[in-house]
Amino acid sequence: ETGVTQSPTHLIKTRGQQVTLRCSSQSGHNTVSWYQQALGQGPQFIFQYYREEENGRGNFPPRFSGLQFPNYSSELNVNALELDDSALYLCASSFSNNYGYTFGSGTRLTVV
Amino acid sequence: QQPVQSPQAVILREGEDAVINCSSSKALYSVHWYRQKHGEAPVFLMILLKGGEQKGHEKISASFNEKKQQSSLYLTASQLSYSGTYFCGTEIDYGQNFVFGPGTRLSVLP
Repeated sequence: ETGVTQSPTHLIKTRGQQVTLRCSSQSGHNTVSWYQQALGQGPQFIFQYYREEENGRGNFPPRFSGLQFPNYSSELNVNALELDDSALYLCASSFSNNYGYTFGSGTRLTVV
Repeated sequence: QQPVQSPQAVILREGEDAVINCSSSKALYSVHWYRQKHGEAPVFLMILLKGGEQKGHEKISASFNEKKQQSSLYLTASQLSYSGTYFCGTEIDYGQNFVFGPGTRLSVLP
């Protein structure tokens, strides 16, 4: 196992720009979820992918989108960045529905 | 819908016990428990599935009451390393909106 790796670790963007965050999951982990965590808050569910298809979505606008690839990597794309998008973005993957999620260390996004 | 956790925060002395509760208004498929230390990613502790048994290891265990849609995390003889924020996460079905509770901040003092 190689764990869950996210890149970049930190990122500064300007309001209105677009950003792509990347996640590399453990081999065999066919489920990946993305979360937004504001300072002092719990992670908020953005969406989940299972075998490259979105199968669950939280209360986030369509400008938050994602992709999952056959090689267990995934992306979170955010368009038209707003100041409130500044947060820690966490990726988590799982092998099956009987296992918990393994989290990456996150990407700290700052929108100025 | 976000589960409710209680208490919001708890302070313990090393060796004391603690219970953290998580409840949902919806019928749950699973309850997860995670611990997050400051500046780090959440770490999986355990999962409880509908129809499953109480789980745990050495000094950390959990239960899931399906009738009440409540789960409790039991920390026995707490250690300094137990400090952190504990989150429960719930699913109404596999892969369906895995939602975290607001967290319980646990501080273990020497």
